[in-house]
Amino acid sequence: GQQLNQSPQSMFIQEGEDVSMNCTSSSIFNTWLWYKQEPGEGPVLLIALYKAGELTSNGRLTAQFGITRKDSFLNISASIPSDVGIYFCAGRVMNRDDKIIFGKGTRLHILP
Amino acid sequence: KAGVTQTPRYLIKTRGQQVTLSCSPISGHRSVSWYQQTPGQGLQFLFEYFSETQRNKGNFPGRFSGRQFSNSRSEMNVSTLELGDSALYLCASKRQMNTEAFFGQGTRLTVV
Repeated sequence: GQQLNQSPQSMFIQEGEDVSMNCTSSSIFNTWLWYKQEPGEGPVLLIALYKAGELTSNGRLTAQFGITRKDSFLNISASIPSDVGIYFCAGRVMNRDDKIIFGKGTRLHILP
Repeated sequence: KAGVTQTPRYLIKTRGQQVTLSCSPISGHRSVSWYQQTPGQGLQFLFEYFSETQRNKGNFPGRFSGRQFSNSRSEMNVSTLELGDSALYLCASKRQMNTEAFFGQGTRLTVV
């Protein structure tokens, strides 16, 4: 079945550093989504990407839909303590089912 | 506009019991999906309902079932609970098919 490989699994960075994480798949997706989950909460949608090559920003967050439709990355610039959490990528498959497949998440830790 | 509401937030059940979880989608949203989240497996898709019909189903045993009512509210039932069913159960709603999913805060189920 379809799978998303999200990396890295976890990151420890210093406050102020930039962060980069990505997702790859053997399947083609027509939409890429990036969510953030904080402890005790459900995932919150950060960025949605709909076209191959699309680059979209949301504040300090920037995400891109890969040209091959099989990958996406998320960058966070100048990290701050409230960026701590788990970041999930998700892809919507290109068929009638409209299934959304999730990566296993990147856990971001920020050192003071 | 109220978000996705899941009740209860926390539950403790004994092995062998059954449990019902509830999800009220965002007003106007007709699709409700359910996910199981565990530390080892990430977000696993359970099923999706759209206009009271199950559209998609994940690879979970028949002990996991759901339904959707005419007001789009959904319930998920797990019968004969096992220790491995302990997880965060997340509900997500969408306005239509091929639109973005918004998550509730989840129900934390602990089976003892």
